[in-house]
Amino acid sequence: NAGVTQTPKFQVLKTGQSMTLQCAQDMNHEYMSWYRQDPGMGLRLIHYSVGAGITDQGEVPNGYNVSRSTTEDFPLRLLSAAPSQTSVYFCASSNTHEQYFGPGTRLTVT
Amino acid sequence: RKEVEQDPGPFNVPEGATVAFNCTYSNSASQSFFWYRQDCRKEPKLLMSVYSSGNEDGRFTAQLNRASQYISLLIRDSKLSDSATYLCVVNMGGGGADGLTFGKGTHLIIQP
Repeated sequence: NAGVTQTPKFQVLKTGQSMTLQCAQDMNHEYMSWYRQDPGMGLRLIHYSVGAGITDQGEVPNGYNVSRSTTEDFPLRLLSAAPSQTSVYFCASSNTHEQYFGPGTRLTVT
Repeated sequence: RKEVEQDPGPFNVPEGATVAFNCTYSNSASQSFFWYRQDCRKEPKLLMSVYSSGNEDGRFTAQLNRASQYISLLIRDSKLSDSATYLCVVNMGGGGADGLTFGKGTHLIIQP
């Protein structure tokens, strides 16, 4: 099992550009989620999904879109990047209680 | 407002010592509790769940005090490899990520 994989590992964007962060899991988990982690802020939930075709907003959803067309994949789209979106992004999948995190994507928006 | 509070540290502890830190939570209806470990520039990983009766896993002991609304983590005979940030996670309801609240973490440094 690869667990949770994320691509890319690093990305630099200019303000206004769009991009998609990829996330995939091979554990057949129903729950998947996206977090951002900023210094002094801890992990904050962006969007989450309880199964294919179902998504919902977390604590900080503005500026991000998600879709869940398959159980395995949960991409995060930045619509128009802003410097405030500079952060480390973690994707996670879970069974009923343990979150399995991907290795993260370090995003810088200039 | 959902809140999980941790002392950010850093806790500087000599190798072999015992160290303990707490995490307080604001929602008395919280249902389950966890400690995650996060190494520098890595993803968080589950260290242990925290049960009402307390639980132990080798050198690590976790306890829950519902009356005072805190959980604790005790590390005995600390190793250099225990240096990391320890995240307190509280499930305040819901079956998925929406019910989880992460603390900001306690930074532990074990010194030789």
